[in-house]
Amino acid sequence: EPEVTQTPSHQVTQMGQEVILRCVPISNHLYFYWYRQILGQKVEFLVSFYNNEISEKSEIFDDQFSVERPDGSNFTLKIRSTKLEDSAMYFCASRTGNWETQYFGPGTRLLVL
Amino acid sequence: QKEVEQNSGPLSVPEGAIASLNCTYSDRGSQSFFWYRQYSGKSPELIMSIYSNGDKEDGRFTAQLNKASQYVSLLIRDSQPSDSATYLCAVKFSDQFYFGTGTSLTVIP
Repeated sequence: EPEVTQTPSHQVTQMGQEVILRCVPISNHLYFYWYRQILGQKVEFLVSFYNNEISEKSEIFDDQFSVERPDGSNFTLKIRSTKLEDSAMYFCASRTGNWETQYFGPGTRLLVL
Repeated sequence: QKEVEQNSGPLSVPEGAIASLNCTYSDRGSQSFFWYRQYSGKSPELIMSIYSNGDKEDGRFTAQLNKASQYVSLLIRDSQPSDSATYLCAVKFSDQFYFGTGTSLTVIP
């Protein structure tokens, strides 16, 4: 069964460093999402992406964040200059155009020191 | 700000009982409603989606939606220990999905 994959599973970085989180959505999906979940808190929407552009973004998704679909398979989230409060689990999700069911990847746990 | 509220629990039920999980949402323009299950350290896994008022059943799970009251619920019949997890309510508005904080459910053997 097709699934969303994410790499790396864990990332440790120093405050101020740039990180890139990678996702491979399910191949025939058209809508892509990034979420974050701070430990013990709710899943928070960051950004949605369709037709090679951002369709919606939350207040959390400020200028430090960017997304890209550099080729036909990868979908990346870049955090330009990480802060301590960026430590969280980051989930990628995707869905087809016909159904609203999102499929989540396993997540990348980011720790900023 | 679009809010999705859930009782955080924990909710404990004995094996075989019915577990009832509730969710309210703030935005009347919300279009679609979802229940996810999340095990500790794992990603959310879809259980049910519901789009129109009324009940929707899938196996042991029944989702109920009342748009006038801005309320969505999930019933789990014949609860099993493997159902022990955090249940997340999610609401779609435009192309954004808003999640509640989740209700922790423990099914006691």
